[in-house]
Order: sequence, then structure tokens, then C-alpha cells
Amino acid sequence: EVQLVESGGGLVQPGGSLRLSCEASGFTFSNYWMTWVRQAPGKGLEWVANIKQDGIEKYYVDSVKGRFTISRDNAKNSLFLQMDSLRAEDTALYYCAKPSLDCSSATCFDYWGQGTLVTVSS
Amino acid sequence: EVVLTQSPATLSLSPGERATLSCRASQSVNRYLVWYQQKPGQAPRLLIYDASNRATGIPARFSGSGSGTDFTLTISTLEPEDYAVYYCQQRTKWPLTFGGGTRVEIK
Repeated sequence: EVQLVESGGGLVQPGGSLRLSCEASGFTFSNYWMTWVRQAPGKGLEWVANIKQDGIEKYYVDSVKGRFTISRDNAKNSLFLQMDSLRAEDTALYYCAKPSLDCSSATCFDYWGQGTLVTVSS
Repeated sequence: EVVLTQSPATLSLSPGERATLSCRASQSVNRYLVWYQQKPGQAPRLLIYDASNRATGIPARFSGSGSGTDFTLTISTLEPEDYAVYYCQQRTKWPLTFGGGTRVEIK
């Protein structure tokens, strides 16, 4: 059974940093691109970042470029999101998501974690 | 970026009725349009990919259609478990973008 378990969220002041983690199981993690998607409270979904299997190729939504860094540790089946220079508008539930093989280039997602909440406030 | 506009924002229907949800793209996304269902307190669930293909385990009452800029998700006969928020997502161009959602509520 595929499982994705996020952790690392919390309350942080504007300008602060947090590191989110996602522990994966039930599939061969190293074979898949992986993704972070976020959802502001009561709002819709926003794709944040993707990382290729080798950890080298990465893509980000413009609003987080230069502030967030996606990474992975295939030996530990783990995905990370380092978030620096946090802003109030980064407040959201952050989901780790596994791409579906039905969609090329890791562009749709068949398994999601339950999310970890990041609140940026003074 | 590709902007997806979903309508209506809220759909109030009784169990057994037919639900028709719309997603319009600001530019052509060919058929690379995806639908998700999200219930309160839960993660999204993949329903439809590439406009009309049901994901694994999705009941046949869910169907998708459309191409280019106009897409439709149809639930042929609403079941109690179908009351949720539905999001469309395009996977043609980066960044991947989602629509604002349609809430299907019990009338």
C-alpha cells in the first residue's frame, strides 16, 4: 500500500525557515518524480515543485523560486522541501504527492499524503 | 500561465440527480486536463486524466469530456459519497495549474 507521510510543519515568523519532510513507502520511491502541492486554508490547490528521480532536475512555481528548495534522499525514501524567507502568503497545508504513471512527465498525481500545515505569522 | 476557471462555484443537487461541472482554460490544453475530488479533511483523489480517462478504481458514474479550452465532468447519478469539492488541473504547460474548484452540496 502506498503511503506518504509529511512532517515538519508549524508556526514560523515572516522571514523564517522550515524544512518539510515526506516519508514514502509501498512503492519504489527512486523510480518516480515527486511533487509538493499546497493548499491555503479554505482555498484551492497550487503546484509548488517537482524533482526528478536523480534529484538533479527540479522545477518550481515562480512564487517560490529562490526561496524554496526541493530535494530527496532515495536511500531513505524521503522527499524534502526547504522553505526560507517565508511569507504570510506561504501559509498552507503542504502535500507530498506521487505522480501517476497514467500521466507523462509527473503531471498528475494518484497518491497524496495528508499534508503538514505551515503557518507564517508574527 | 494557464488559468482554469471552474463553474459553477457551488452546485446544489439531490442524491440521484446528474451533476455537470465545467472547467474552462485560458488557452488550449489539448486533452491534458485532469479532475480530482476532495472531501473535507482529506487529500485530493485522482478521478479523470486526459479529459476522459477514469483513474484506477473510479466508478463509471464519473465521466469527463472536452478538448482544447472547454471541459466537463459529469456525475451521472449522485451518490451520498460524491458530495465534495472538484478541481480541474491542466498538465500541458508549466507551471501546472488548478481551477478554483466546484463544491457539490446536498440540496
